[in-house]
Amino acid sequence: AQKVTQAQTEISVVEKEDVTLDCVYETRDTTYYLFWYKQPPSGELVFLIRRNSFDEQNEISGRYSWNFQKSTSSFNFTITASQVVDSAVYFCALSADPNAGNMLTFGGGTRLMVKP
Amino acid sequence: SAVISQKPSRDICQRGTSLTIQCQVDSQVTMMFWYRQQPGQSLTLIATANQGSEATYESGFVIDKFPISRPNLTFSTLTVSNMSPEDSSIYLCSVRQGDGFGYTFGSGTRLTVV
Repeated sequence: AQKVTQAQTEISVVEKEDVTLDCVYETRDTTYYLFWYKQPPSGELVFLIRRNSFDEQNEISGRYSWNFQKSTSSFNFTITASQVVDSAVYFCALSADPNAGNMLTFGGGTRLMVKP
Repeated sequence: SAVISQKPSRDICQRGTSLTIQCQVDSQVTMMFWYRQQPGQSLTLIATANQGSEATYESGFVIDKFPISRPNLTFSTLTVSNMSPEDSSIYLCSVRQGDGFGYTFGSGTRLTVV
């Protein structure tokens, strides 16, 4: 069975602070995919990143960066110099081989509040 | 990535009635997924809908309560039947991305049952 844990249910920071959202996962599959999604107050899910289990390189996209460590089964997400527009719920998710019809397992989400 | 049009975006419904949610995709997709997100909660998969076959429901969800149609490769509907206030949630449809390794979501339907 797959499981995704986001231990931080809610984080509050002041604008321009850096913030890291934690994600720990469990799976027995050797091939799997990890995702981060952003859900702003409007409710839609915005895709941020996908990472497969064979690629442990960290990734940076503007103010966003992701740290994938298989040794600790973690896929953490850092926002540098946070902005009010970053306020949202962020979900980490896991999928085994999608070509086998596997679907996403979501973590509980972390609500990030960035205050001006 | 596929673009999904989901309707309605929100609705307020009386208990005991039913609501049908539609998802239209701009490309043909084999599998479509329906999720429920209860207030303050994460997303839970309701069912997987393949064209031309019965939907596959996850534990805790039944066809009588959440009938799904998948008439072609670009369209699906989810009906929430005989609604109660506990059905108040955001409902989202999803498809796999074109490269097969990710998922795109509709904009969601925010349902309130009174």
